[in-house]
Amino acid sequence: QSVLTQPPSVSGAPGQRVTISCTGTSSNIGAGYDVHWYQQLPGTAPKLLIYSNTNRPSGVPARFSGSKSGTSASLAIAGLQAEDEADYYCQSYDSSLGGSLFGGGTKLTVL
Amino acid sequence: QLQLQESGPGLAKPSETLSLTCTVSGGSISSHNFYWGWVRQPPGKRLEWIGIIYYSGNTYYNPSLKSRVTISVDTSKNQFSLTLSSVTAADTAVFYCARAVVRGYYFDSWGQGTLVSVSS
Repeated sequence: QSVLTQPPSVSGAPGQRVTISCTGTSSNIGAGYDVHWYQQLPGTAPKLLIYSNTNRPSGVPARFSGSKSGTSASLAIAGLQAEDEADYYCQSYDSSLGGSLFGGGTKLTVL
Repeated sequence: QLQLQESGPGLAKPSETLSLTCTVSGGSISSHNFYWGWVRQPPGKRLEWIGIIYYSGNTYYNPSLKSRVTISVDTSKNQFSLTLSSVTAADTAVFYCARAVVRGYYFDSWGQGTLVSVSS
């Protein structure tokens, strides 16, 4: 099955560190395909946050970081700020799908 | 600065064909380094990858939509387009056009999105 699974929600207090997981299968993350992360602020288009597992585009703060291991990937956000409150999506290529797919999304709440 | 702008009707009737165009400015759609694609998001739901096209016309579609989707490119106008046939209420969504990097297939630039509602 072509699925990327994310927790529906995570939360943290300002200044804390949170992680968001993205669990795939042997046809996507486990097959070695890269994982990318997007931030979607309310009412806006997604914005690329992390590409190819660990890379930050220009302008993305260093407190956002990505990692990948086996069939899973994670997005970590350090030093939480109120402006980080958003939905976060992972994306990867899936060989059985023959195309790309997104995770279900995780809503981050800053307490 | 690259900009992408979706355009098209905001309302479609059930069983009809939805058509959207994305106009690219600040960069060439004929670049060898990028694909151009469509992503949709039903209200309150996840992002769904629809498909991508290369400037040469090569396309890759989501298998779940492949029978109803066509993505085309017009390099002379620096535009690419989406048609989705036989629409139902389940196709109501915000449609985004975006640029995808060839090496990685990730979307590094997005349009603002346009809501298309399917209703009689």
